[in-house]
Amino acid sequence: GAGVSQSPRYKVAKRGQDVALRCDPISGHVSLFWYQQALGQGPEFLTYFQNEAQLDKSGLPSDRFFAERPEGSVSTLKIQRTQQEDSAVYLCASSLSGRDLYEQYFGPGTRLTVT
Amino acid sequence: GENVEQHPSTLSVQEGDSAVIKCTYSDSASNYFPWYKQELGKRPQLIIDIRSNVGEKKDQRIAVTLNKTAKHFSLHITETQPEDSAVYFCAATDTGRRALTFGSGTRLQVQP
Repeated sequence: GAGVSQSPRYKVAKRGQDVALRCDPISGHVSLFWYQQALGQGPEFLTYFQNEAQLDKSGLPSDRFFAERPEGSVSTLKIQRTQQEDSAVYLCASSLSGRDLYEQYFGPGTRLTVT
Repeated sequence: GENVEQHPSTLSVQEGDSAVIKCTYSDSASNYFPWYKQELGKRPQLIIDIRSNVGEKKDQRIAVTLNKTAKHFSLHITETQPEDSAVYFCAATDTGRRALTFGSGTRLQVQP
């Protein structure tokens, strides 16, 4: 079946612009995660949803970052007033269960460049 | 919170040799340890994982070992091939936290 998909794959934003990044998880997956991956580093956790509930947003770096998953499937990560330090690859991952620990499957990521 | 350290940062081996990557974690509550392979510009792909009730797991040329007492786990790749060249990340989490904490990555280069 289809894997996790993300759009757009690349985004260039001028500093101060707002951006919205979309994630389509694997159908039926309860859990959805957002990670930020800076160049040459490992992914870092941003936020976690179980169905439509945002259960953990401890990794969001500032109040300019906002995520939602209103119907428990597609998720959007929004960054307001982008800054140069926001430049990174934003990865989405989904997992089958909301209770047990299952494999997390990653999307291809959105590469955000803030100029 | 959890802290995962990974060594070495780069590893170069000859084709056919074995490669070993080591990780340590800090949170004794962690009970799930996946390994991901990431090729340049691609998504991280799960290659193997281990849970805390198991000491070792093997899948063809790849094996992972876990030492809960010492809080470290290792990835072993035998008979390396050029297509194994990539960046490998270890990670850890637990049932309560769920979010993965990643190591800093190991760039493996397999020389033909």
